[in-house]
Amino acid sequence: EAGVTQFPSHSVIEKGQTVTLRCDPISGHDNLYWYRRVMGKEIKFLLHFVKESKQDESGMPNNRFLAERTGGTYSTLKVQPAELEDSGVYFCASSQFPGQGVSYSNQPQHFGDGTRLSIL
Amino acid sequence: GENVEQHPSTLSVQEGDSAVIKCTYSDSASNYFPWYKQELGKGPQLIIDIRSNVGEKKDQRIAVTLNKTAKHFSLHITETQPEDSAVYFCAPRGGYNKLIFGAGTRLAVHP
Repeated sequence: EAGVTQFPSHSVIEKGQTVTLRCDPISGHDNLYWYRRVMGKEIKFLLHFVKESKQDESGMPNNRFLAERTGGTYSTLKVQPAELEDSGVYFCASSQFPGQGVSYSNQPQHFGDGTRLSIL
Repeated sequence: GENVEQHPSTLSVQEGDSAVIKCTYSDSASNYFPWYKQELGKGPQLIIDIRSNVGEKKDQRIAVTLNKTAKHFSLHITETQPEDSAVYFCAPRGGYNKLIFGAGTRLAVHP
């Protein structure tokens, strides 16, 4: 079974430019999450999709970040315009939908290897 | 708010010794407690998890213990090997289904 795949693995852009990160979850996983780790900080939650719907976007830092998951398969995270403080590693994770009567807590989150974003 | 503290930040042991990493959380509603291992250039990999209705879980050399009253859970690695060297994160589940990560523990196992 293929794991969570993220592309690109590394992106270097200048301040003010636009960058789009992509995440392909494990096949059949309805839940998709974005997290990020900026310099010197912990890994922080950004948002959670259930299929194509945003379940929780409480971690999105500002309106320069736009996440989409059209069709409920892969997801993109666009940063426009990028700022210096956006530099860090962006992780995507996925988990199975628990199904009726089953708690979310029974569904572990599996992470991709991340995209390292460098803003110059 | 949700707060997670992880100790120690670095841990150095000799091969064959045991290693213990502790995580303290603030959200009393948390009911899922995973530990992740991250190797250089890779994403966090789930190594063990525990639910709030269980006090201890073991998987070969790795175990997790949970004390819900005190709001802390610990990772225990026995008979450490050089390949156990990595950064370990606790990540108790917070509101909805998001994980709240600790700052990480860098474990070095010396041959």
